[in-house]
Amino acid sequence: QSALTQPPSVSGSPGQSVTISCTGTSSDVGNYNFVSWYQQHPGKAPQLLISDVNKRPSGVPDRFSGSKSGNTASLTISGLQSDDEADYYCCSYAGNYNWVFGGGTKVTVL
Amino acid sequence: QMQLQESGPGVVKPSETLSLTCSVSGDSVTNSGYYWGWIRQPPGKGLEWIGSIDYRGTTFYSPSLKSRVTISLDTSKDHFSLSLRSVTAADTAIYYCVGPRWLQFTYWSHGTLVTVSS
Repeated sequence: QSALTQPPSVSGSPGQSVTISCTGTSSDVGNYNFVSWYQQHPGKAPQLLISDVNKRPSGVPDRFSGSKSGNTASLTISGLQSDDEADYYCCSYAGNYNWVFGGGTKVTVL
Repeated sequence: QMQLQESGPGVVKPSETLSLTCSVSGDSVTNSGYYWGWIRQPPGKGLEWIGSIDYRGTTFYSPSLKSRVTISLDTSKDHFSLSLRSVTAADTAIYYCVGPRWLQFTYWSHGTLVTVSS
């Protein structure tokens, strides 16, 4: 299966909102509500931000929200903070017991 | 809280087998409904799912790696392992173990860099 498509980078000023898209196909993102998002700071392991398209695990601020429309999932970060500067990865179940990741998006806080 | 810690050699020679173990603390690998997995990240690049194993020992592998990968469960030691055969430089990456859910990767190990080099 092919990787999901994410923009290489997005940026925003503190307090603004940014949205990261994650485009797949009707075989993965479009067919299952099993999209998750992960945040990775430099030199650290990824951390789960969003599961099942829009569910936030305990401890994740409500500034992070997820959605999906057709074959594209999105992660929105509201009220951008300096600590949000990191790489973000989407991941989708792709059927047949397979998982596929996006290429990652670097978020820069201006 | 559950913690995962991988261990294994940091350098593997080309054509040999990469072997890593992930020790789980705070819970049992055989608890019903648990799934464990391996994910890797080449330096400076994105994440790639390698495969997963459930609490009964049933395995699921990435199609692109299936011919070279084995994941196994050691219930007596509460750990699971990764074996990747016939490695090349393209297998150089940070390897993470993850668990315990099927539908999302909730807990991650710190990651270990494995370099394929002679």
